[in-house]
Amino acid sequence: DGGITQSPKYLFRKEGQNVTLSCEQNLNHDAMYWYRQDPGQGLRLIYYSQIVNDFQKGDIAEGYSVSREKKESFPLTVTSAQKNPTAFYLCASSWGGKTGNTIYFGEGSWLTVV
Amino acid sequence: GQQVMQIPQYQHVQEGEDFTTYCNSSTTLSNIQWYKQRPGGHPVFLIQLVKSGEVKKQKRLTFQFGEAKKNSSLHITATQTTDVGTYFCAAITTSGTYKYIFGTGTRLKVLA
Repeated sequence: DGGITQSPKYLFRKEGQNVTLSCEQNLNHDAMYWYRQDPGQGLRLIYYSQIVNDFQKGDIAEGYSVSREKKESFPLTVTSAQKNPTAFYLCASSWGGKTGNTIYFGEGSWLTVV
Repeated sequence: GQQVMQIPQYQHVQEGEDFTTYCNSSTTLSNIQWYKQRPGGHPVFLIQLVKSGEVKKQKRLTFQFGEAKKNSSLHITATQTTDVGTYFCAAITTSGTYKYIFGTGTRLKVLA
């Protein structure tokens, strides 16, 4: 099946630890995104990448890092500098391009700090 | 940065009543998309509007894009319990970065 796979679905992190959320897509999409969603809140953009080996900060990039070494992969690292990381994290992808394209979302990863 | 506001934040309706959510931007948009997120799920694409004044329908759902391309609305006629969820608009900026700005969302509850 084509789609976006996020793992793990649930993750617990101790304070002071870095954790990495995986995101893989087999849709051959150029653009990939990471969003954070807090309970009852909207989607806030963390990072996005329009092409391999290039990415830009979104609105809440502090305390997060990403890489885009392969077209199909866009892992997100939540560092210890992120003071309030407990949230639902959504990875997404699209064809990119000027006219705007449908964004396809993964099923999300729940991160809880313990 | 640019913001896209949605109102209302929450809406409870009786089954069979109509529902409308509004999306407003401070700047002109290239296009706008609407997504639905069921409770516990992930957002799923509903529709995209591109032209000024555009109106599109999907069964009981009607989507409009404002003449100035700064606002949009989603109207559901005769809501059903399957309409429960959060509805987001997503705006494509004209700034050249082509990143999507999601609205704050409207959470709809339908009471049977």
